[in-house]
Amino acid sequence: AQSVTQPDIHITVSEGASLELRCNYSYGATPYLFWYVQSPGQGLQLLLKYFSGDTLVQGIKGFEAEFKRSQSSFNLRKPSVHWSDAAEYFCAVGAIGGGADGLTFGKGTHLIIQP
Amino acid sequence: EAGVTQSPTHLIKTRGQQATLRCSPISGHTSVYWYQQALGLGLQFLLWYDEGEERNRGNFPPRFSGRQFPNYSSELNVNALELEDSALYLCASSLTINQPQHFGDGTRLSIL
Repeated sequence: AQSVTQPDIHITVSEGASLELRCNYSYGATPYLFWYVQSPGQGLQLLLKYFSGDTLVQGIKGFEAEFKRSQSSFNLRKPSVHWSDAAEYFCAVGAIGGGADGLTFGKGTHLIIQP
Repeated sequence: EAGVTQSPTHLIKTRGQQATLRCSPISGHTSVYWYQQALGLGLQFLLWYDEGEERNRGNFPPRFSGRQFPNYSSELNVNALELEDSALYLCASSLTINQPQHFGDGTRLSIL
């Protein structure tokens, strides 16, 4: 069965500092990977996706993620965080468009930005 | 372009009642997915509709059901509500099964 692990429940970063959120997955076939962000009281916004090809993918709001098959990881990075980046971040795995089983999500990482 | 819209924003019910949640996908999207985001349980896949048919469901009891209409909008029905059904219910749509899912802002269902 597929699964996603986000080891960090909470992360605190100073504004302007760099950020890396970890994501490890388990999936039987070639994975399709996503990062979503959720602000309080809102739905999920797609930050970026990996389907195939270049293992370093660029997303919106200055985020990027790197797919490392050997480590089963898809970590999210940002060189300099802004206070508006404070939110819950979810890594997800599945077939493109979810397929038969929908997307499998990690438990999320709560990002706190210190002034 | 309008995103995925869900209604109502909040819904308060009592145990044993029935709830109906609605979702309008992005124009042109034919696949609709429903997820439950309950406190402590994370996001869990509920149902997938495509071209008017239920294609798959997650590990939820039969009292969770729904349908997709000819215009691709969808309803989620929850019968015999229980306290543990309190959650944020998120709807997502995709252009086809080979495209990413885009989410609405959800319906907060509270069971008293």
